[in-house]
Formats: sequence, structure tokens, C-alpha cells
Amino acid sequence: DAKTTQPTSMDCAEGRAANLPCNHSTISGNEYVYWYRQIHSQGPQYIIHGLKNNETNEMASLIITEDRKSSTLILPHATLRDTAVYYCIVRLGVNSGGYQKVTFGIGTKLQVIP
Amino acid sequence: GAVVSQHPSWVICKSGTSVKIECRSLDFQATTMFWYRQFPKQSLMLMATSNEGSKATYEQGVEKDKFLINHASLTLSTLTVTSAHPEDSSFYICSAPEAARGGETQYFGPGTRLLVL
Repeated sequence: DAKTTQPTSMDCAEGRAANLPCNHSTISGNEYVYWYRQIHSQGPQYIIHGLKNNETNEMASLIITEDRKSSTLILPHATLRDTAVYYCIVRLGVNSGGYQKVTFGIGTKLQVIP
Repeated sequence: GAVVSQHPSWVICKSGTSVKIECRSLDFQATTMFWYRQFPKQSLMLMATSNEGSKATYEQGVEKDKFLINHASLTLSTLTVTSAHPEDSSFYICSAPEAARGGETQYFGPGTRLLVL
């Protein structure tokens, strides 16, 4: 799997958009970008994933650059409950030979401030 | 989204005893499940891949005889920590993938906190 680079920590004011960057310059053409988060003392939670198009769901938006070497997770209106560690992971899809294991890096610790 | 449950949510045991942790996919079938552990202030570390109908695949450095994995059905995988010692105290988390748009979504359980005295 391609390596990702994320800032160690970020702060965001409550109600403002939180923009979490991720660099994945060695991503290959059949690798997806996934985002998960882990709130303290809980299991990780899937947020969103994409291949090359921007994606949006009820939780967040994922913006992937045209060259696919970086992406940004956007939480449009951050709340205190969004305080968590956010993981950007690049990996093959299931069509590449079965379910792939998820390797977690350090992630970005997002602190939403009142 | 799909739901993965774990039982128990926390357990305290004496050194030398064995502890079984269950992981269930509640509304979907999972031929593959993953087991992780997480020490305080560290990221999740993959321990093993659980496969229904075949042996589990363990990551390097994980003792297969100590951490027994049984994928009994398409909705249940169990992790047994045998002869637990204080250094096995950790947060154990399982996940189950479900296909979605070419990729797949990994659904994680809420975790099981193990404390070995």
C-alpha cells in the first residue's frame, strides 16, 4: 500500500469547516483513498472513500487532486463530537484480489475548540 | 451503515487465564475479519486476518498459539488470548469489510478492553 503523510495535529473552531490534508504521492492507479476516524476509547469509524472523483456523504466531503497525489477531507461544520484522530489510508480495492487489510498510520489528531 | 459488535466490551482477568473475545457482523456476512490491538497513545496494530473456513493469517511477531482465532461462521469470529499476562492488557478491536463501489468499507467493532492483573 502507498504511504500517506498527515499533519500530527490540527485545531478547528466549532462550527467552522475542518480541512484535513493527506499526501499520498506514491499512490498507484488502482488504489483508493480512505478516511477513518477514531474517537477516544472507541473503535474506528469509516468516513468516506474515493478513487479519483470527489465524493460527498452525510459525514464529509473528500477532495482528491487531479494527479491523485493528495487529498483533503472536509468536515463542513465541525462540532465538539468531531474531536478524534483521523486516518488517511491508501489501499487496493476488493477487486484487486479480495479484502485487503487496513494499515493504520499515526493519523491527525483533530481538536474542535468551543 | 453495517454494524459490527464485540463482546465483552471490557474484561478483567487474572494472569494465566484465557479470555475469549467475540466479533459479530450483525447485518451482513463477512468471510474475512481483522483483529487489531491498540496500546495507549498508539495507533491500531493489525494482529491477524480471520478467514471463514480456513486458518487465520497472523502478522509478523504475533504468536498464533497465544492468540487463537476461530472464524466459526459468516458472522462470527473469536479471538482467544491464552494464558494472558499483564503485557497482553490492551484494547482489542475487530473489523469486517463489506464491498462498496469497487473498494470496500471496513466496519469496526466498539473494541474490547482487556486488563490482566
